[in-house]
Amino acid sequence: GNSVTQMEGPVTLSEEAFLTINCTYTATGYPSLFWYVQYPGEGLQLLLKATKADDKGSNKGFEATYRKETTSFHLEKGSVQVSDSAVYFCALSDQIGQNFVFGPGTRLSVLP
Amino acid sequence: GAGVSQTPSNKVTEKGKYVELRCDPISGHTALYWYRQSLGQGPEFLIYFQGTGAADDSGLPNDRFFAVRPEGSVSTLKIQRTERGDSAVYLCASSLSSRRDAQYFGPGTRLTVL
Repeated sequence: GNSVTQMEGPVTLSEEAFLTINCTYTATGYPSLFWYVQYPGEGLQLLLKATKADDKGSNKGFEATYRKETTSFHLEKGSVQVSDSAVYFCALSDQIGQNFVFGPGTRLSVLP
Repeated sequence: GAGVSQTPSNKVTEKGKYVELRCDPISGHTALYWYRQSLGQGPEFLIYFQGTGAADDSGLPNDRFFAVRPEGSVSTLKIQRTERGDSAVYLCASSLSSRRDAQYFGPGTRLTVL
Protein backbone atom coordinates (compact mmCIF):
# COMPACT_ATOMS: atom_id res chain seq x y z
CA GLY A 1 0.00 0.00 0.00
CA ASN A 2 0.87 3.66 -0.15
CA SER A 3 3.07 5.06 2.58
CA VAL A 4 5.04 8.15 3.57
CA THR A 5 8.19 8.17 5.65
CA GLN A 6 9.57 11.30 7.29
CA MET A 7 12.71 11.98 9.25
CA GLU A 8 12.13 11.66 12.94
CA GLY A 9 12.06 14.75 15.05
CA PRO A 10 12.28 16.83 16.93
CA VAL A 11 14.51 19.04 14.85
CA THR A 12 16.00 21.98 16.71
CA LEU A 13 17.69 24.80 14.81
CA SER A 14 18.91 28.29 15.48
CA GLU A 15 17.28 31.20 13.70
CA GLU A 16 18.60 31.71 10.14
CA ALA A 17 19.84 28.12 9.88
CA PHE A 18 19.16 25.99 6.79
CA LEU A 19 16.34 23.47 7.11
CA THR A 20 15.84 20.12 5.43
CA ILE A 21 13.10 17.70 6.41
CA ASN A 22 13.33 14.47 4.47
CA CYS A 23 10.26 12.76 3.03
CA THR A 24 10.15 9.60 0.94
CA TYR A 25 7.11 7.80 -0.33
CA THR A 26 5.82 4.54 -1.74
CA ALA A 27 2.91 4.75 -4.14
CA THR A 28 1.57 3.39 -7.39
CA GLY A 29 1.86 5.53 -10.48
CA TYR A 30 2.33 9.25 -10.16
CA PRO A 31 0.98 10.60 -6.89
CA SER A 32 0.44 14.22 -5.96
CA LEU A 33 2.66 15.25 -3.06
CA PHE A 34 1.96 17.76 -0.31
CA TRP A 35 3.50 19.37 2.72
CA TYR A 36 1.18 20.46 5.51
CA VAL A 37 2.12 22.48 8.59
CA GLN A 38 0.49 22.54 12.00
CA TYR A 39 1.37 25.54 14.15
CA PRO A 40 0.88 25.25 17.91
CA GLY A 41 -2.81 25.32 18.77
CA GLU A 42 -3.90 25.54 15.14
CA GLY A 43 -5.25 23.22 12.47
CA LEU A 44 -3.35 21.69 9.57
CA GLN A 45 -2.55 24.12 6.77
CA LEU A 46 -1.44 23.34 3.25
CA LEU A 47 2.11 24.64 2.83
CA LEU A 48 2.93 23.56 -0.72
CA LYS A 49 2.26 20.88 -3.28
CA ALA A 50 3.59 19.29 -6.48
CA THR A 51 1.56 17.20 -8.86
CA LYS A 52 4.12 15.75 -11.27
CA ALA A 53 7.74 14.72 -11.45
CA ASP A 54 10.30 17.55 -11.29
CA ASP A 55 7.68 20.06 -10.18
CA LYS A 56 8.82 22.39 -7.42
CA GLY A 57 6.29 23.57 -4.87
CA SER A 58 7.10 26.73 -2.95
CA ASN A 59 5.50 28.97 -0.34
CA LYS A 60 6.68 31.27 2.48
CA GLY A 61 10.33 30.58 1.62
CA PHE A 62 9.85 26.80 1.77
CA GLU A 63 10.51 24.63 -1.26
CA ALA A 64 10.17 20.96 -2.16
CA THR A 65 10.94 19.23 -5.46
CA TYR A 66 9.11 16.11 -6.62
CA ARG A 67 11.85 13.56 -7.37
CA LYS A 68 10.41 10.46 -8.90
CA GLU A 69 13.76 8.74 -9.34
CA THR A 70 14.37 8.83 -5.60
CA THR A 71 10.66 8.85 -4.60
CA SER A 72 11.34 11.88 -2.44
CA PHE A 73 9.83 15.26 -1.65
CA HIS A 74 12.22 16.86 0.83
CA LEU A 75 11.22 20.17 2.40
CA GLU A 76 13.84 22.94 2.51
CA LYS A 77 14.13 26.51 3.69
CA GLY A 78 17.23 28.62 3.44
CA SER A 79 16.81 30.63 6.62
CA VAL A 80 14.34 29.57 9.28
CA GLN A 81 12.61 31.90 11.70
CA VAL A 82 11.26 31.35 15.20
CA SER A 83 7.76 31.61 13.70
CA ASP A 84 8.45 28.48 11.61
CA SER A 85 8.32 26.35 14.75
CA ALA A 86 5.59 23.81 14.05
CA VAL A 87 4.94 20.21 13.06
CA TYR A 88 5.40 19.45 9.37
CA PHE A 89 3.57 16.60 7.64
CA CYS A 90 4.39 15.12 4.26
CA ALA A 91 1.41 13.57 2.44
CA LEU A 92 0.46 11.98 -0.84
CA SER A 93 -2.60 11.29 -2.92
CA ASP A 94 -2.02 8.61 -5.49
CA GLN A 95 -2.85 8.59 -9.17
CA ILE A 96 -6.19 6.93 -8.86
CA GLY A 97 -7.26 9.28 -6.13
CA GLN A 98 -6.97 7.00 -3.18
CA ASN A 99 -6.90 8.37 0.29
CA PHE A 100 -4.49 10.95 1.44
CA VAL A 101 -1.72 9.23 3.33
CA PHE A 102 0.14 11.32 5.87
CA GLY A 103 3.56 10.82 7.33
CA PRO A 104 3.95 10.85 11.12
CA GLY A 105 5.06 14.49 11.20
CA THR A 106 8.33 16.18 12.10
CA ARG A 107 8.40 18.72 14.91
CA LEU A 108 10.62 21.73 14.24
CA SER A 109 11.74 24.09 16.98
CA VAL A 110 13.61 27.25 16.00
CA LEU A 111 15.49 29.01 18.76
CA PRO A 112 16.24 32.76 18.73
CA GLY B 1 -13.45 33.54 2.73
CA ALA B 2 -14.57 31.24 5.51
CA GLY B 3 -12.57 28.11 6.08
CA VAL B 4 -13.64 24.72 7.38
CA SER B 5 -15.29 24.96 10.76
CA GLN B 6 -15.87 22.24 13.33
CA THR B 7 -17.97 22.09 16.45
CA PRO B 8 -17.53 21.58 19.27
CA SER B 9 -13.86 22.38 19.69
CA ASN B 10 -13.72 20.13 22.73
CA LYS B 11 -15.96 17.29 23.83
CA VAL B 12 -15.64 15.32 27.04
CA THR B 13 -17.87 12.31 27.44
CA GLU B 14 -18.14 9.15 29.46
CA LYS B 15 -17.43 5.67 28.23
CA GLY B 16 -20.49 4.18 26.58
CA LYS B 17 -22.09 7.49 25.59
CA TYR B 18 -23.02 8.67 22.09
CA VAL B 19 -21.37 11.72 20.51
CA GLU B 20 -21.84 13.77 17.38
CA LEU B 21 -19.15 15.93 15.81
CA ARG B 22 -20.05 18.52 13.19
CA CYS B 23 -18.13 19.80 10.17
CA ASP B 24 -19.01 22.77 7.96
CA PRO B 25 -16.82 22.68 4.82
CA ILE B 26 -15.71 25.49 2.57
CA SER B 27 -18.62 26.64 0.44
CA GLY B 28 -18.58 25.01 -2.99
CA HIS B 29 -16.32 22.12 -2.00
CA THR B 30 -17.93 18.85 -2.99
CA ALA B 31 -15.39 16.56 -1.35
CA LEU B 32 -15.30 16.18 2.43
CA TYR B 33 -13.07 14.02 4.62
CA TRP B 34 -12.89 12.93 8.23
CA TYR B 35 -9.61 12.01 9.90
CA ARG B 36 -8.54 11.05 13.38
CA GLN B 37 -5.26 12.26 14.83
CA SER B 38 -3.69 10.82 17.93
CA LEU B 39 -0.94 12.59 19.82
CA GLY B 40 2.36 12.56 17.97
CA GLN B 41 0.94 10.98 14.83
CA GLY B 42 -0.25 12.07 11.45
CA PRO B 43 -3.94 12.18 10.56
CA GLU B 44 -5.52 8.79 9.94
CA PHE B 45 -8.19 8.63 7.24
CA LEU B 46 -11.72 7.67 8.30
CA ILE B 47 -14.19 8.48 5.53
CA TYR B 48 -14.55 10.47 2.31
CA PHE B 49 -17.73 12.01 0.92
CA GLN B 50 -18.31 13.09 -2.65
CA GLY B 51 -21.48 15.15 -2.49
CA THR B 52 -24.02 13.42 -0.28
CA GLY B 53 -22.63 9.93 -0.60
CA ALA B 54 -19.83 8.20 1.26
CA ALA B 55 -17.49 7.32 -1.57
CA ASP B 56 -15.00 5.57 0.69
CA ASP B 57 -15.59 4.55 4.30
CA SER B 58 -12.74 2.05 4.47
CA GLY B 59 -11.04 3.94 7.29
CA LEU B 60 -13.87 3.69 9.80
CA PRO B 61 -12.49 1.45 12.55
CA ASN B 62 -15.73 -0.40 13.35
CA ASP B 63 -19.50 -0.14 13.17
CA ARG B 64 -19.67 2.22 16.14
CA PHE B 65 -18.53 4.97 13.79
CA PHE B 66 -20.87 6.46 11.23
CA ALA B 67 -20.98 9.70 9.24
CA VAL B 68 -23.59 11.49 7.17
CA ARG B 69 -23.74 14.42 4.81
CA PRO B 70 -27.42 14.61 3.87
CA GLU B 71 -27.40 17.81 1.82
CA GLY B 72 -23.88 17.65 0.45
CA SER B 73 -22.54 20.36 2.73
CA VAL B 74 -22.44 19.95 6.51
CA SER B 75 -21.33 16.55 7.76
CA THR B 76 -21.77 14.85 11.12
CA LEU B 77 -19.51 12.12 12.48
CA LYS B 78 -21.35 9.92 14.95
CA ILE B 79 -19.73 7.62 17.47
CA GLN B 80 -21.84 5.16 19.46
CA ARG B 81 -20.87 3.46 22.73
CA THR B 82 -17.69 5.49 23.00
CA GLU B 83 -14.57 3.84 24.34
CA ARG B 84 -11.49 5.37 25.94
CA GLY B 85 -9.50 4.45 22.84
CA ASP B 86 -11.68 6.78 20.78
CA SER B 87 -10.05 9.76 22.48
CA ALA B 88 -8.28 11.78 19.78
CA VAL B 89 -8.58 14.93 17.72
CA TYR B 90 -11.11 14.46 14.93
CA LEU B 91 -10.28 16.50 11.87
CA CYS B 92 -12.50 17.44 9.00
CA ALA B 93 -11.20 18.63 5.62
CA SER B 94 -12.74 19.62 2.32
CA SER B 95 -11.42 19.89 -1.21
CA LEU B 96 -12.80 21.37 -4.37
CA SER B 97 -13.88 18.26 -6.20
CA SER B 98 -11.63 15.22 -5.89
CA ARG B 99 -9.08 13.45 -3.73
CA ARG B 100 -6.26 14.70 -5.91
CA ASP B 101 -7.04 18.28 -4.91
CA ALA B 102 -5.41 19.93 -1.93
CA GLN B 103 -7.40 19.48 1.25
CA TYR B 104 -8.21 22.30 3.63
CA PHE B 105 -8.55 21.35 7.26
CA GLY B 106 -10.70 22.56 10.10
CA PRO B 107 -9.29 23.18 13.59
CA GLY B 108 -10.49 19.81 14.84
CA THR B 109 -12.61 18.54 17.70
CA ARG B 110 -10.72 17.15 20.67
CA LEU B 111 -12.71 14.19 22.00
CA THR B 112 -11.92 12.86 25.45
CA VAL B 113 -13.65 9.70 26.64
CA LEU B 114 -13.39 9.22 30.39
